[in-house]
Order: sequence, then structure tokens, then C-alpha cells
Amino acid sequence: SQKIEQNSEALNIQEGKTATLTCNYTNYSPAYLQWYRQDPGRGPVFLLLIRENEKEKRKERLKVTFDTTLKQSLFHITASQPADSATYLCALDRTSGTYKYIFGTGTRLKVLA
Amino acid sequence: EAQVTQNPRYLITVTGKKLTVTCSQNMNHEYMSWYRQDPGLGLRQIYYSMNVEVTDKGDVPEGYKVSRKEKRNFPLILESPSPNQTSLYFCASSLDAGLGYGYTFGSGTRLTVV
Repeated sequence: SQKIEQNSEALNIQEGKTATLTCNYTNYSPAYLQWYRQDPGRGPVFLLLIRENEKEKRKERLKVTFDTTLKQSLFHITASQPADSATYLCALDRTSGTYKYIFGTGTRLKVLA
Repeated sequence: EAQVTQNPRYLITVTGKKLTVTCSQNMNHEYMSWYRQDPGLGLRQIYYSMNVEVTDKGDVPEGYKVSRKEKRNFPLILESPSPNQTSLYFCASSLDAGLGYGYTFGSGTRLTVV
């Protein structure tokens, strides 16, 4: 069955370092992969979208890669700040161009001052 | 301000008492969806709508109903709530999720069924 895996363990890093979060998926080939940020008790906030034919996408201090061979996306936050502390979710469309999105359970990031 | 508005934010109800959670968006988005979020299970899609009068089931539709009579509104109806529907619910909208546009989520509704 289709499955998304994000590291359920929290990631603690020092301020100023680069945080790298992983999203792995199995048994399907999504056309789009999205990353969201979620703060406690609040709705997820859309950050970045990457398409299956794109290897890398950047937005300010954020960078996302998409390796369809490895079935993996990496999400990087450079020069991390305590304000970046949150849970980060990846989401993929179930099959190419459908409206059914699957979300990972998220990875909690804590940036230490 | 572009937003998705859900009401209520918090709701405690008793088993079997019908309830409706409202959702409204002001961005003229075609696509709307409902998710529930439970610890360890992440966000799971309940229902989605591609446009007015067009709805379809997500992964966990049992016990829920939806309707899309107007583009901006997408209410979630629990005809006979049960304790296993205690959860955090999110409504979301997108310009076109089928083309990969990101979602805008509401602030959530925390529902407790006793």
C-alpha cells in the first residue's frame, strides 16, 4: 500500500546550522510533493511545492530536493533560527494529478539558541 | 485577508447528537477538503470537493457527510457522532490541488465526543 515516512523522532539542532528533514515514500509515483510547517494547535502552512520533473527548489532559506529514483525528498533550512522550531509535514498526491493527498506524520524540529 | 475560516474552534458534544462544522474560504478556490489529525496517524483526508456540487470520498469518510452548494462553503456534518470521531479537524482549500497548488488550512476544530 502507499506509504509516506517521516522521521518521527524530534530533530534538535543548534541555531545557525542547517536542518535537514527527510520524507520517504513507497509504492507510488507522485506528480507533486509539498512541504508544510505546523505549529502546535494550528493548521499547517504551505511552504514549498516541487514537481516530479524538478530536482531542486529554493525559497529564501529553504531548499527542497526530490529524488524519484530513491523515492525521497529532503527539506533543508539553512542558517536555522529558534523561530524555525515547528513540525514539518510532507504531502504527496496519491497518483499523478489526483486530488487525493497523503500527508506524512511530520518531523518536529527544535532549533536551540 | 485570504483565509479559511472554520467554526467552532472547540466543540464538546454527546454521542449521537448531530453536529455541523462550518468552513468558508474567501479566495475563490475551486478545491476544498476536510482532514482529521490524530496523534501518530497524521492528517487523513475525509472528503474533498473539486467544485460546486462535486464531492468525493477521501481515506476515512465513514460517519461523515459533506456538501458543496456554494463555492466558498464546505460544511462537515456528523449525523451521529461517536467517541472515535474525537479529533482535530482541518478544512483546507486550494486553487487546484490536481495541479499541485498548495493548501490553505483553517485554524482547526477540536472536537470531543463523550
